[in-house]
Amino acid sequence: GAVVSQHPSWVICKSGTSVKIECRSLDFQATTMFWYRQFPKQSLMLMATSNEGSKATYEQGVEKDKFLINHASLTLSTLTVTSAHPEDSSFYICSARKLAVSSYNEQFFGPGTRLTVL
Amino acid sequence: QKEVEQNSGPLSVPEGAIASLNCTYSDRGSQSFFWYRQYSGKSPELIMFIYSNGDKEDGRFTAQLNKASQYVSLLIRDSQPSDSATYLCALDMGRRALTFGSGTRLQVQP
Repeated sequence: GAVVSQHPSWVICKSGTSVKIECRSLDFQATTMFWYRQFPKQSLMLMATSNEGSKATYEQGVEKDKFLINHASLTLSTLTVTSAHPEDSSFYICSARKLAVSSYNEQFFGPGTRLTVL
Repeated sequence: QKEVEQNSGPLSVPEGAIASLNCTYSDRGSQSFFWYRQYSGKSPELIMFIYSNGDKEDGRFTAQLNKASQYVSLLIRDSQPSDSATYLCALDMGRRALTFGSGTRLQVQP
């Protein structure tokens, strides 16, 4: 199997607060994890790539000081949305790539976290 | 030209028919190709992947790859209303993350 979990599944917070989202690969080790954001009826947007033990690589236009990523182990990556504002309200989805010789670079997605900032 | 192109749809087919979803891509060096299904409000789910020219079948799903023409397609036989979703084509272009198309919305009419 290839199961990726995310916690929390949804969160409502006040403007100005920080929110941490966890992404875990439950039954495999992930060399790399990815964080996406998706607004209603729009495409997935890659925000950043997270590698275990090293700094995340952010896509153009994504503020690294606002979206803090930590990849502490081969099974856990966290995304912290700092000083959240209503425009940060979105569906945040992580995915993980398997660490395996036979892997064809499949990415497995977590169930997503719906963030609403009031 | 987008790196991965998909018709946004919606593609509407009657229940029991074959749904044909297409994807074209620009990078000839792409090695692996993936189809994901995304239900509204949910995250994408991997359906299947293909890396050799030709057809690959898995249950009611068949992926077809033609590297010379740079397209990959997904056929869904005996379409069911539960197949109604957005289908995302993705490629491994040698970058860390897969490159996704914007998806085709499929509606299967009962």
